[in-house]
Amino acid sequence: DGGITQSPKYLFRKEGQNVTLSCEQNLNHDAMYWYRQDPGQGLRLIYYSQIVNDFQKGDIAEGYSVSREKKESFPLTVTSAQKNPTAFYLCASSSQGGGTYGYTFGSGTRLTVV
Amino acid sequence: GQQLNQSPQSMFIQEGEDVSMNCTSSSIFNTWLWYKQDPGEGPVLLIALYKAGELTSNGRLTAQFGITRKDSFLNISASIPSDVGIYFCAGPSGNTGKLIFGQGTTLQVKP
Repeated sequence: DGGITQSPKYLFRKEGQNVTLSCEQNLNHDAMYWYRQDPGQGLRLIYYSQIVNDFQKGDIAEGYSVSREKKESFPLTVTSAQKNPTAFYLCASSSQGGGTYGYTFGSGTRLTVV
Repeated sequence: GQQLNQSPQSMFIQEGEDVSMNCTSSSIFNTWLWYKQDPGEGPVLLIALYKAGELTSNGRLTAQFGITRKDSFLNISASIPSDVGIYFCAGPSGNTGKLIFGQGTTLQVKP
């Protein structure tokens, strides 16, 4: 079955450490997205990529980095520069018509800084 | 820029009650999407609307594309405990291919 997989489901990080969240899709989608969700809040766009080897900053890119070396994969690194990284992170993918047909979301990674 | 405003922000209802929520914008949209996010999971697409005035159902869920193209409505009939979650509306951001999401309506159902 085609889908989008995020791993791990839960992640703990010590302050000052970088951590990478995985996102893989086998839907043959061109575009991929990373969102951050805080408790009781909506979805805030961190980074997005509409084609391999290209990506753009979203609304809250500071303290995060991404790469898009393969169509299937869009990993997100939460760097030590992110001052408040504890949150629920969602990855999504879409065809080029994502604005019309919608996104497919992964099941999320909950990151906690300890 | 374009924004989607959802109301109410949260609802606490009794099992069996009907639910209504809406999404409004100052801009015209050609597509309206409704998502549901179960606790601790990613959002899942419930209903997509592509034509002004369109009324589409998915089981106990019914969504409407407002005639002005600036709003959309989602109704849930005879709510059950598994309806709990956050409901998001979404629409395309110009011709960017990206979606804009509303802030969500949180639904809690008391058995």
